[in-house]
Amino acid sequence: QSVLTQPPSVSGAPGQRVSISCTGSISNIGAPYDVHWYQQLPGTAPRLLIYNNIYRPSGVPDRFSASKSGTSASLAISGLQAGDEAEYYCQSYDENLIGWVFGGGTKVNVL
Amino acid sequence: QVHLVESGGGQVKPGGSLRLSCAASGFIFSGYYMSWIRQAPGKGLEWISYISGSNDTIYYADSVKGRITVSRDNAKNSLYLQMNALRPDDTAIYYCVRSDCGGDCPFEYWGQGTLVTVSS
Repeated sequence: QSVLTQPPSVSGAPGQRVSISCTGSISNIGAPYDVHWYQQLPGTAPRLLIYNNIYRPSGVPDRFSASKSGTSASLAISGLQAGDEAEYYCQSYDENLIGWVFGGGTKVNVL
Repeated sequence: QVHLVESGGGQVKPGGSLRLSCAASGFIFSGYYMSWIRQAPGKGLEWISYISGSNDTIYYADSVKGRITVSRDNAKNSLYLQMNALRPDDTAIYYCVRSDCGGDCPFEYWGQGTLVTVSS
């Protein structure tokens, strides 16, 4: 059971927009600690996709966007492409656990 | 550019020990905070340990506390993870990860991971 809750999967057709929710609590996202998002393509290490709730590292397309409100955050992918098929994880810091926590991951399927 | 290369993984029997290493390059190693994050086969990501750049702050996840020790040698640009009393549920890919700070900072750079298999 992950500290941060994500849906197991979301699906969309090419070109569509999908969003992934990440729900935490007052000891992590709501504390408020920043939320970061990672993309893990099959067979590869995760890579940072969004940091500090809304910012994209250099090289990440602006099709990826994110937001945070209260104890939740969300990642949106617009103009869905086949190459976006991957597992996506949210992550934050938890002051009760004194450690870093992840969501369980969401598999994005491109139909 | 930043490069993190893990080594030391392999198969070990339950109760055994293993020492993982991470060779860092492309940045001033002593200035950055390092973590180990693992991923069991087909499962999600789990942070397990953190060490500050100056070695003065160390944290462990409850799932591994008492069984692992993280250390670093800034002169050798290397991070280590000593794992003892290994259990089958420690089977995972172990990633060496860099962040700019503790707390709110993201895990910005990841190694390719090293696989640890605990099985009799």
